[in-house]
Amino acid sequence: AQKITQTQPGMFVQEKEAVTLDCTYDTSDQSYGLFWYKQPSSGEMIFLIYQGSYDEQNATEGRYSLNFQKARKSANLVISASQLGDSAMYFCAIKSGGGADGLTFGKGTHLIIQP
Amino acid sequence: EPEVTQTPSHQVTQMGQEVILRCVPISNHLYFYWYRQILGQKVEFLVSFYNNEISEKSEIFDDQFSVERPDGSNFTLKIRSTKLEDSAMYFCASSEWRSNQPQHFGDGTRLSIL
Repeated sequence: AQKITQTQPGMFVQEKEAVTLDCTYDTSDQSYGLFWYKQPSSGEMIFLIYQGSYDEQNATEGRYSLNFQKARKSANLVISASQLGDSAMYFCAIKSGGGADGLTFGKGTHLIIQP
Repeated sequence: EPEVTQTPSHQVTQMGQEVILRCVPISNHLYFYWYRQILGQKVEFLVSFYNNEISEKSEIFDDQFSVERPDGSNFTLKIRSTKLEDSAMYFCASSEWRSNQPQHFGDGTRLSIL
């Protein structure tokens, strides 16, 4: 079974600061993918970034980067230069290598950006 | 940009009634999923669907649940006899055939069981 642990239930960050959201995972699969999703208060799930278990470089997407440390089984999300619109729930998720496998989500981190 | 669409956005149903939640996945996607999120909790996987059959299902997806792709565009989740604990947000998602492609989620259907 796969498991995601997000240890920060809530975070307050000043606007324009960088923020790191923690995610550790557990899996027995050799091939897997790690995903981050954003859920604003309106409820939709927005895909942010993906990291494959065999990817040698950390993934980046605009202001989002993923600090992937395979030996530690961690996949932390880094948001640079935070904005008020970044306030939301953030979920880390893992999926094994099969195309039809479902995502296993963590409990999420509620990020609040303060002006 | 293509998106997953779900209808209705909010469904209120009496306990014991059947409910059908509808989804239109992104047109060139081959894998379809249903998830649920009970208020204030994490998102939970229910079922995945590929090539017109269920690929994987979780323990939550018991005999009360079924999925169907009745035509080339729609993907439905049916709950036969709803219970109070079925109240949740239900998300449909779809992805391309490659395993490293993200699952794109719809905006969800909020199901309220009275």
